[in-house]
Amino acid sequence: AQSVTQLGSHVSVSEGALVLLRCNYSSSVPPYLFWYVQYPNQGLQLLLKYTTGATLVKGINGFEAEFKKSETSFHLTKPSAHMSDAAEYFCAVSEDNTGNQFYFGTGTSLTVIP
Amino acid sequence: EAGVAQSPRYKIIEKRQSVAFWCNPISGHATLYWYQQILGQGPKLLIQFQNNGVVDDSQLPKDRFSAERLKGVDSTLKIQPAKLEDSAVYLCASSFRGGYGYTFGSGTRLTVV
Repeated sequence: AQSVTQLGSHVSVSEGALVLLRCNYSSSVPPYLFWYVQYPNQGLQLLLKYTTGATLVKGINGFEAEFKKSETSFHLTKPSAHMSDAAEYFCAVSEDNTGNQFYFGTGTSLTVIP
Repeated sequence: EAGVAQSPRYKIIEKRQSVAFWCNPISGHATLYWYQQILGQGPKLLIQFQNNGVVDDSQLPKDRFSAERLKGVDSTLKIQPAKLEDSAVYLCASSFRGGYGYTFGSGTRLTVV
C-alpha cells in the first residue's frame, strides 16, 4: 500500500530565503511522485513530477525536487522564496501511470514573510 | 487550451437536501476524476471514469453519492441526501489518458448547514 507523509503542516520562510517542503512516501514498487500547488480558492496545479530517469526534477516557478530512493523522500525546494509562493503544497504518489491508486499527502501551507 | 470547467463555484445547502456538481473536462481527455478535499486534508479520490465507464469508485459512498459521465465528456456528481460531513471542496480533474499530470478544475466548495 502506498502512503505519503508531509512533515510540517505549516512552514514559514522569509522572502528570499530557501524553501524546503518535506515529503516521504511508502511504496512497494518504484513510485511516480508529484508535487502540486493550490492557491486559495483554486484547483491544484502540477509543479513537477518524477517518473523515471534523472532524480533531480525541475518544475515551474523555480521549484525543484529530488527523488532519493534510499531515504524514500521527494522534498521540494526553491532557492529564494517569493511572496507569490504562498500557497498550499501537496505531495502525491502513484504506483503506475494509469491514474489509479494516486494518493495525496495532507498538504503543507507555505507562508512567506516580507 | 481551455481548462477543466466546474460549476457552481460555491453551494450552501441544508442537511438532507440534494446537490449536484458539473464538470467539463479538457477536450480529448478520456479520463476524468472526482476528488473530495475536506478542509485541512489532501484530496481523496471518489471516482475515476475512463470515457463513460467507471474505473474506480471504491471510495465513493454509494448510499448517497452518485456520478455519471454521459457520452464520455461532461460529468455530474450528485449527493442525496447531504450530511454535515460532506462539507468540502469537490475537485474535478482530467487527463489525456489514465496517468500522471492531471489538470484540475477550480473546484466547487460545498457547505452543508
